[in-house]
Amino acid sequence: DTAVSQTPKYLVTQMGNDKSIKCEQNLGHDTMYWYKQDSKKFLKIMFSYNNKELIINETVPNRFSPKSPDKAHLNLHINSLELGDSAVYFCASSQDLGIAFFGQGTRLTVV
Amino acid sequence: EDQVTQSPEALRLQEGESSSLNCSYTVSGLRGLFWYRQDPGKGPEFLFTLYSAGEEKEKERLKATLTKKESFLHITAPKPEDSATYLCAVQGTNFGNEKLTFGTGTRLTIIP
Repeated sequence: DTAVSQTPKYLVTQMGNDKSIKCEQNLGHDTMYWYKQDSKKFLKIMFSYNNKELIINETVPNRFSPKSPDKAHLNLHINSLELGDSAVYFCASSQDLGIAFFGQGTRLTVV
Repeated sequence: EDQVTQSPEALRLQEGESSSLNCSYTVSGLRGLFWYRQDPGKGPEFLFTLYSAGEEKEKERLKATLTKKESFLHITAPKPEDSATYLCAVQGTNFGNEKLTFGTGTRLTIIP
């Protein structure tokens, strides 16, 4: 039973399209995150939600909009996709300080 | 702003050849330093948490240590299955800021 699952695993789309990535955790954690990992493997936080409330919003273009319908789900919607959005996006959840459980990642390729 | 620098970027070792990975950090008050392992095509997997200088944690062939400015991940007699990218991250004491700041990792390859 996967702890943090995100779909899809791969996403190839054209510039200008809108796409969503879904994430669900069955660990009962209060905090969920979206991270972006670029081609150089640098992992940077984008958003953090605690009990459905946004608590961290790094300097991310407003084309990226997270939505948390309940504390087990955190989705990421991206409007008007650009080439530079190509990356691997990781969802994670956490209950204890700094100990995050990551999903398998969604490799987004914008062509 | 919190910063984490890891070295070397890549390391190739023969099976059984011990070595250390370095993580240097600057943070406005350290709440915790974390080591993660990432295998290709997968998300990072938590290994250790260190909270204060002098602390050490061990797991199988891995030992993590912490000083006021850096952390080391010592790998003793590694096996090919230890090959992975090892990520270091810090969390500062900025209240309400739960984010982890990651380094770019060390890609470790153990040659049989």
